Amino acid sequence: SQTIHQWPATLVQPVGSPLSLECTVEGTSNPNLYWYRQAAGRGLQLLFYSVGIGQISSEVPQNLSASRPQDRQFILSSKKLLLSDSGFYLCAWSTGTSGINEQFFGPGTRLTVL
Amino acid sequence: AQSVAQPEDQVNVAEGNPLTVKCTYSVSGNPYLFWYVQYPNRGLQFLLKYITGDNLVKGSYGFEAEFNKSQTSFHLKKPSALVSDSALYFCAVSMDTGRRALTFGSGTRLQVQP
Repeated sequence: SQTIHQWPATLVQPVGSPLSLECTVEGTSNPNLYWYRQAAGRGLQLLFYSVGIGQISSEVPQNLSASRPQDRQFILSSKKLLLSDSGFYLCAWSTGTSGINEQFFGPGTRLTVL
Repeated sequence: AQSVAQPEDQVNVAEGNPLTVKCTYSVSGNPYLFWYVQYPNRGLQFLLKYITGDNLVKGSYGFEAEFNKSQTSFHLKKPSALVSDSALYFCAVSMDTGRRALTFGSGTRLQVQP
């Protein structure tokens, strides 16, 4: 069966520090991968998605970047964190070449920027 | 562009009573519609989806949803609510345009009182 991992589970970082959040998927090949941010326990904002190694689409211009160095690894990064980067970050995966398939979400990383 | 509206921030229902969580959507073609549930500090769990065919879709934990094309709605329902159903519910939409990302609603908090 497929599983998705995210780490760390929680993170407290000072403003201006770098960030690296990691997401890995097991049990599937060539998944579509997604990073979302959820602020204040509400709506999800799509940040990045990837349909293959090295292929990243950015949905919202911001202080963050994403990379996909391996088929089942998706990394969210920042060079200098802002207070507004605080939130709950969710990674998800899906299969297929259209929007017909559901996405499966990881457990999330709660980031607090102080 | 596609969008999803969940008009109620919160729905309160007594245990054992039927529940409805509302969702309306806007797309330029045929939609794929999804419901997810989120428990505190957890990732989203897939409940059910509508792709085509029967307008009444059954999903996990006794939930079902009815697709209504004329009203562009996809309301989530359950005949008898449980206290354990209390959570945050998200409606989402995608299309078969090659863009695999989902567009989520803002979420509805369901509170089931014992």
